[in-house]
Amino acid sequence: ETGVTQSPTHLIKTRGQQVTLRCSSQSGHNTVSWYQQALGQGPQFIFQYYREEENGRGNFPPRFSGLQFPNYSSELNVNALELDDSALYLCASSLSDLSTDTQYFGPGTRLTVL
Amino acid sequence: LAKTTQPISMDSYEGQEVNITCSHNNIATNDYITWYQQFPSQGPRFIIQGYKTKVTNEVASLFIPADRKSSTLSLPRVSLSDTAVYYCLVGAFSGTYKYIFGTGTRLKVLA
Repeated sequence: ETGVTQSPTHLIKTRGQQVTLRCSSQSGHNTVSWYQQALGQGPQFIFQYYREEENGRGNFPPRFSGLQFPNYSSELNVNALELDDSALYLCASSLSDLSTDTQYFGPGTRLTVL
Repeated sequence: LAKTTQPISMDSYEGQEVNITCSHNNIATNDYITWYQQFPSQGPRFIIQGYKTKVTNEVASLFIPADRKSSTLSLPRVSLSDTAVYYCLVGAFSGTYKYIFGTGTRLKVLA
């Protein structure tokens, strides 16, 4: 157990809808990263939040957005859902300092877009 | 950013040592290398992290050559429960953080 929790565990949406996924960080961690993992593929970095600001972003369109709250929990929002957005969405928390930034992952949210 | 490649799959027998290599030819000087284990429909589980030379913990060793263009995860005496997909992860900080997972290696441990 990493102490990182995600909700919901599963979600079904239809194309064009919007979705919000939630993540609670491990105690003491100040940084949250989000990844998308399509079936049979490796995780792809979406973005990272540090102290409530986006601190890095992968190759994802602006309809993927996020928030980090003062308690370091986080949300991933996806607008105008497409069929290809169907994936396991992973949240990882870490303590960012100058020496290391080991990320600890939650169990993921399985999103299915019909 | 570094591109990371791994062998697609490996088979091993219980009790053997397994070595999985990740190639990250364009790794930047400030990148760490982290290895994860992932079971189906679960989040990746941290195994080990290193920056250079050799790192060892209670479950694995990580070897990083001087040029840091590759790294090797070593799992001593694997068991059936080690059957999983193994990923390397390279992080980079250049103003902002970005991360790239390797292509993943599917390890099957046979009895």
